[in-house]
Amino acid sequence: QKEVEQNSGPLSVPEGAIASLNCTYSDRGSQSFFWYRQYSGKSPELIMFIYSNGDKEDGRFTAQLNKASQYVSLLIRDSQPSDSATYLCAVHNQAGTALIFGKGTTLSVSS
Amino acid sequence: DAGVTQSPTHLIKTRGQHVTLRCSPISGHKSVSWYQQVLGQGPQFIFQYYEKEERGRGNFPDRFSARQFPNYSSELNVNALLLGDSALYLCASSLASGDNQPQHFGDGTRLSIL
Repeated sequence: QKEVEQNSGPLSVPEGAIASLNCTYSDRGSQSFFWYRQYSGKSPELIMFIYSNGDKEDGRFTAQLNKASQYVSLLIRDSQPSDSATYLCAVHNQAGTALIFGKGTTLSVSS
Repeated sequence: DAGVTQSPTHLIKTRGQHVTLRCSPISGHKSVSWYQQVLGQGPQFIFQYYEKEERGRGNFPDRFSARQFPNYSSELNVNALLLGDSALYLCASSLASGDNQPQHFGDGTRLSIL
């Protein structure tokens, strides 16, 4: 059973701080990794994807991938109250057909 | 440009009934995937279709079926509904099937079984 593990949280950070969200996966053959943000009662929204080892930056978001350690993370700099949501880590299966999701980490940013 | 559109937004059914959910992908996207999300969990993969062919199937019973039409829209059908089928059903589209193809989700259909 291929798995994606995330701390459920809640992760609480003050406004302006860096939020660090972590994810591990079990399938060494996985090649594509995604972070989705989901507000309560809404559908997941794609915010980052990463395919190669290292860091990928997009605005206040940085995704980090370490395939040897089977670890992917998301850093949110200058956290805002509007970043308060559940963050879902997703990994493609080896066929590239299905996304396997973790249970999500709930982030709360206090003003 | 329009995103992924799903209909209906909400649906209430009783046990034993069947339901059809519909999805239109982002213009230019040829692959559609379906997911089920229950409260407190991440989405669970049900099906993926690409160019009208099934490319992947998750661990769901045969009561679940889907198809993709020539215009790349898709339907998910669920027969003999059970209380446990109550969930948010999400459709996602991507340019193609395979690795390095980000999937974009619609707003979902919230299905309640009484």
